Amino acid sequence: AQKITQTQPGMFVQEKEAVTLDCTYDTSDQSYGLFWYKQPSSGEMIFLIYQGSYDEQNATEGRYSLNFQKARKSANLVISASQLGDSAMYFCAIFDFAGANNLFFGTGTRLTVIP
Amino acid sequence: ETGVTQTPRHLVMGMTNKKSLKCEQHLGHNAMYWYKQSAKKPLELMFVYNFKEQTENNSVPSRFSPECPNSSHLFLHLHTLQPEDSALYLCASSQDGLDSRDTQYFGPGTRLTVL
Repeated sequence: AQKITQTQPGMFVQEKEAVTLDCTYDTSDQSYGLFWYKQPSSGEMIFLIYQGSYDEQNATEGRYSLNFQKARKSANLVISASQLGDSAMYFCAIFDFAGANNLFFGTGTRLTVIP
Repeated sequence: ETGVTQTPRHLVMGMTNKKSLKCEQHLGHNAMYWYKQSAKKPLELMFVYNFKEQTENNSVPSRFSPECPNSSHLFLHLHTLQPEDSALYLCASSQDGLDSRDTQYFGPGTRLTVL
């Protein structure tokens, strides 16, 4: 079974609007970490935000926030006030100890911001 | 220079060539990683080094040979590659790879084409 599922291959959003990118995960561990990365066309994977499984508050970093619903095993990324520079691939990833201390990535969502 | 750097950024090689990819991190981290990113597939972890010791070899063919001379440098030696090895090779580093909060920081990648 896939550890990370991103069901949206592509998303479009109008500039200055908010957008939610979906991520569901599969783990039997109680302790795990969830990460979101952005990959522009240049190729570099840029760390955006982290959510720990025991964190009671949803993580926020500037315009990025994570809608963490533990019971549903979902960790959706919300980008507020979209900018043209947000156009990129976005990857959700999970680190759990059942995965031999490795980070597992989803297949990504391509976000396009429309002016 | 800061962060994680990779050289070369682009590489074209024949199947009989031998080449090496270089990664350097300036973050004081103790864990380094090689990933392969092929089109339409999740990132694949290839190798993990913790404190210069290889702790993971994710069933990678022997035509890929990693080397970690110190905690700041990581190499991937390539020989007799196949066309299906063409991909983006990403290097990452993290504090120690032992905790679910351990964030991996990536380099810009080497785009490899095997003819």
